[in-house]
Amino acid sequence: KNEVEQSPQNLTAQEGEFITINCSYSVGISALHWLQQHPGGGIVSLFMLSSGKKKHGRLIATINIQEKHSSLHITASHPRDSAVYICAVSPGYGQNFVFGPGTRLSVLP
Amino acid sequence: DADVTQTPRNRITKTGKRIMLECSQTKGHDRMYWYRQDPGLGLRLIYYSFDVKDINKGEISDGYSVSRQAQAKFSLSLESAIPNQTALYFCATAGTGGRTYNEQFFGPGTRLTVL
Repeated sequence: KNEVEQSPQNLTAQEGEFITINCSYSVGISALHWLQQHPGGGIVSLFMLSSGKKKHGRLIATINIQEKHSSLHITASHPRDSAVYICAVSPGYGQNFVFGPGTRLSVLP
Repeated sequence: DADVTQTPRNRITKTGKRIMLECSQTKGHDRMYWYRQDPGLGLRLIYYSFDVKDINKGEISDGYSVSRQAQAKFSLSLESAIPNQTALYFCATAGTGGRTYNEQFFGPGTRLTVL
């Protein structure tokens, strides 16, 4: 069983839809990260969470430490949101990341 | 200018050739990492370095070696490339203080094809 799992693996949505990507992990963590990888390949950090909820524009990330679960929500999705979204955890402060397999999102116009 | 750069961005080579992928950073970070990404498998750690004199193997180091020439430079070598090393390779950095201690910054990636 992988330490970090994501669902769904692939997701296709119509422009304007509300999107949720889920991440579950089985190890203790000091932080959870959501990363975005565009078709060109580059990876950028969207959020770093250790508790609660964060919002940036149309993106919202939540984490439930007790349930070892995080969600990434995209409101009013747009084709430019099409990317692979990667969940990663830091098991301890400054320790190496453990990555989920990624969720490939396609938003159709 | 990008904070973390990788060269080359794309490389096609033949089985048995020696290949070096280079990573440079201007963020002043001590910690540097090399990952490979394969479809459906996510990012896997090859090697990491916490400073110039500290090199550590990751989960998939076989067939790879690294060199930390300076704080800003971390190179990955494939001594004798094989086709199953065809992948997307990422370099990343992380700081040792404050918020950056728990955050990694990625280079643009190198797409390597071994024929």
